Amino acid sequence: GEDVEQSLFLSVREGDSSVINCTYTDSSSTYLYWYKQEPGAGLQLLTYIFSNMDMKQDQRLTVLLNKKDKHLSLRIADTQTGDSAIYFCAESRLNPGGYNKLIFGAGTRLAVHP
Amino acid sequence: DARVTQTPRHKVTEMGQEVTMRCQPILGHNTVFWYRQTMMQGLELLAYFRNRAPLDDSGMPKDRFSAEMPDATLATLKIQPSEPRDSAVYFCASGLVGVSSYNEQFFGPGTRLTVL
Repeated sequence: GEDVEQSLFLSVREGDSSVINCTYTDSSSTYLYWYKQEPGAGLQLLTYIFSNMDMKQDQRLTVLLNKKDKHLSLRIADTQTGDSAIYFCAESRLNPGGYNKLIFGAGTRLAVHP
Repeated sequence: DARVTQTPRHKVTEMGQEVTMRCQPILGHNTVFWYRQTMMQGLELLAYFRNRAPLDDSGMPKDRFSAEMPDATLATLKIQPSEPRDSAVYFCASGLVGVSSYNEQFFGPGTRLTVL
């Protein structure tokens, strides 16, 4: 298909790890992104990974990329209540016009409970 | 602290009225995007400008929507006439695109539009 797909909901206990999964479609995407949207706000870039990497770590965040399966995941260690938000996966897709545009998944709503 | 600003933050209007949403991109950015977010459709790209020229507006209903960049500091999205199905949150985003394909977009806080 042409869609970037994510599961819609994830509920975790505070202090546990969260793993949000995404499958994308364009094997030629050079960058893949994770954006975070807090209630009432716009999206904010959380992290990204270049396609020649299979892992990127940034403090509590770990991004894993499996290019063969076109699978991207975001792991949040020691999840806190402030991590409750919607997380969007996005791929950069080259259009016939020769420019890149971001294709977003539907977003995964992460709920963190005590 | 550079950020994208959007006005108004909230708009309630009646069906048939004209709606204008404004966006000030981050100074120095050369791309501007308009997105619409709804529960049913998620995030949809409506328009994409680079160096103030429209590159892609294929996602925008042409009969009632129009997007412009009268200058580098202002992007507008107009709906005329508005319909209840236009009720959504409209986001503007800006970015700086160069020779690489890295495409970080900085989002504004959105305009929540309700058409009665």
